[in-house]
Amino acid sequence: GDSVTQMEGPVTLSEEAFLTINCTYTATGYPSLFWYVQYPGEGLQLLLKATKADDKGSNKGFEATYRKETTSFHLEKGSVQVSDSAVYFCALSDKFGNQFYFGTGTSLTVIP
Amino acid sequence: DTAVSQTPKYLVTQMGNDKSIKCEQNLGHDTMYWYKQDSKKFLKIMFSYNNKELIINETVPNRFSPKSPDKAHLNLHINSLELGDSAVYFCASSPPGLAGSYHVDTQYFGPGTRLTVL
Repeated sequence: GDSVTQMEGPVTLSEEAFLTINCTYTATGYPSLFWYVQYPGEGLQLLLKATKADDKGSNKGFEATYRKETTSFHLEKGSVQVSDSAVYFCALSDKFGNQFYFGTGTSLTVIP
Repeated sequence: DTAVSQTPKYLVTQMGNDKSIKCEQNLGHDTMYWYKQDSKKFLKIMFSYNNKELIINETVPNRFSPKSPDKAHLNLHINSLELGDSAVYFCASSPPGLAGSYHVDTQYFGPGTRLTVL
């Protein structure tokens, strides 16, 4: 079945460091791919998405490119801030059903 | 102007009690969901409703019963609460997929209800 695998955390970075959070997926067909962010004490919010191969989603300095050849959707940011500290979830939307598949989440802490 | 709201935000109760969590969305979406998030932040889908009709019912104990009085509301009732039910429960909604696509579009999450069973 469909699934998402993302790198385990927690991840701790200094402010202005480069961030990569890896995400790979398994799916039949061509899913849509998402990154969600969950700030402490809040619900999940959409960070960015891509609906087809080679699409790049971007928002708030974060980027992720839908790579069909490597079945990946890695999240990157060139210079993280303390306010980026949160849990990040990779997710996919399958082609046939009404379901999302979430990764296990990666906790990011950015220290000044 | 809250898009997806849940009540209560916190719920502390004793084992064996029955409790309900309410969810409302004002986005006009057709599909609503309940998720359970454990202490390690793992997110598990429990139920999905489309226009008041149950479409996903993952393996959850039958002590959990969703109810959708209309497409803007999806409530979760839990009978005979157990310690293992302690978690954060999130409601979410999503619009129909793009025309010609089966994909579920973006999900919009509520703020969560932290349930603690003592």
